[in-house]
Amino acid sequence: GNSVTQMEGPVTLSEEAFLTINCTYTATGYPSLFWYVQYPGEGLQLLLKATKADDKGSNKGFEATYRKETTSFHLEKGSVQVSDSAVYFCALIPNRDDKIIFGKGTRLHILP
Amino acid sequence: GAVVSQHPSRVICKSGTSVKIECRSLDFQATTMFWYRQFPKKSLMLMATSNEGSKATYEQGVEKDKFLINHASLTLSTLTVTSAHPEDSSFYICSARPPSGSSYGYTFGSGTRLTVV
Repeated sequence: GNSVTQMEGPVTLSEEAFLTINCTYTATGYPSLFWYVQYPGEGLQLLLKATKADDKGSNKGFEATYRKETTSFHLEKGSVQVSDSAVYFCALIPNRDDKIIFGKGTRLHILP
Repeated sequence: GAVVSQHPSRVICKSGTSVKIECRSLDFQATTMFWYRQFPKKSLMLMATSNEGSKATYEQGVEKDKFLINHASLTLSTLTVTSAHPEDSSFYICSARPPSGSSYGYTFGSGTRLTVV
């Protein structure tokens, strides 16, 4: 079946450190891939997305590349800020009209 | 972009009473909306899929009679927690499926923190 696996965390980094949050998926066909961010006490916001192999999604300094050969969509940022502290969810939609499937989320703490 | 408005953001109610949470798509029509529950420091648990003009589809283990879902229009879905108890206290989030052919992902409301006392 379809599923998303991401590192559970919490991940704690110092400000300006390099960030990687791993995400791998299992899906038939060609799913669309997403990263969502949830700040404390809020709903989810779409951070970035990629709809086909080798696409790179980017937003607010974050990037993720759709790697079909490794079924991965790792989230990266070159220099994190305290304001990036949040929970990050990797997700996929198997086909256009399917439900979105989430990973368990990774809590990120950035220390000043 | 697509915007989903969810109200209220916080609600405290007495045990045994009912609470209604609204989810509106502001600038698009959403034939399908989803309701999630999130426990502290946990991932999202899909409760049900709300389809405009038809009955909601509930996930296994979710009580249909406790969590009433109504999707009477293309822009509004409501979740009513009936006869609430302290164990229903949680963070509830709605989401709307984007229109077919759109370029954005699912859009989420800002969530409702329910506390039952």
